[in-house]
Amino acid sequence: QSVLTQPPSASGTPGQRVTISCSGSTSNIGSNYVYWYQHLPGTAPKLLIYRNNQRPSGVPDRLTGSKSGTSASLAISGLRSEDEADYYCAAFDDSLPGYVFGTGTKVTVL
Amino acid sequence: QLQLQESGPGLVKPSETLSLTCTVSSDSVYSSSHYWGWIRQPPGKGLEWIGTISYIGITYYNPSLESRVTISVDTSKNQLKLSSVTAADTGIYYCARQDAPRGAFDIWGQGTLVTVSS
Repeated sequence: QSVLTQPPSASGTPGQRVTISCSGSTSNIGSNYVYWYQHLPGTAPKLLIYRNNQRPSGVPDRLTGSKSGTSASLAISGLRSEDEADYYCAAFDDSLPGYVFGTGTKVTVL
Repeated sequence: QLQLQESGPGLVKPSETLSLTCTVSSDSVYSSSHYWGWIRQPPGKGLEWIGTISYIGITYYNPSLESRVTISVDTSKNQLKLSSVTAADTGIYYCARQDAPRGAFDIWGQGTLVTVSS
């Protein structure tokens, strides 16, 4: 059972904006950086956001990460067909202690 | 471009030990200040962190797996051992580079499927 909760699914039409939430607690999101990963089944997961809102080189600026208190979110604007994938938030949890992933959100482009 | 490749048996019998190797290309684990982690994904489920090792062998394990997990590091590879496996350990196993024990997994291997079955 993950300690980071995400909605199981999200969807939008091409060009729309989709936001994925990640709810945690003071021991994880509240006191550590949040990371976001994109995962297409059968492929290697890809880091999209690190340290709450930083994008690695090559990740387009239409992907935006944010954090407030014990929650975080990933916004995808200008939705494209290639954005259809599973998305996971992650953070270190001081109480476990250990690295935890969110429950995952499947994004569908309609 | 650094590449990671997981390898090992695709089928393990219940109660036996799962052993996987992550080979790092274009880099030497010993010469890097990075950390190296293992993550798995059971069928139909999400990602689960297994553990992380530093280039000098300091380990960090998921408390739920700690009694069964051993991660070790060598010059250009690191190894995962998971003992007393059950069907619940079936899944895709990934190795990944981590910038710090609490940090991002920035480069991942393609993953290898391990099935626990008699």
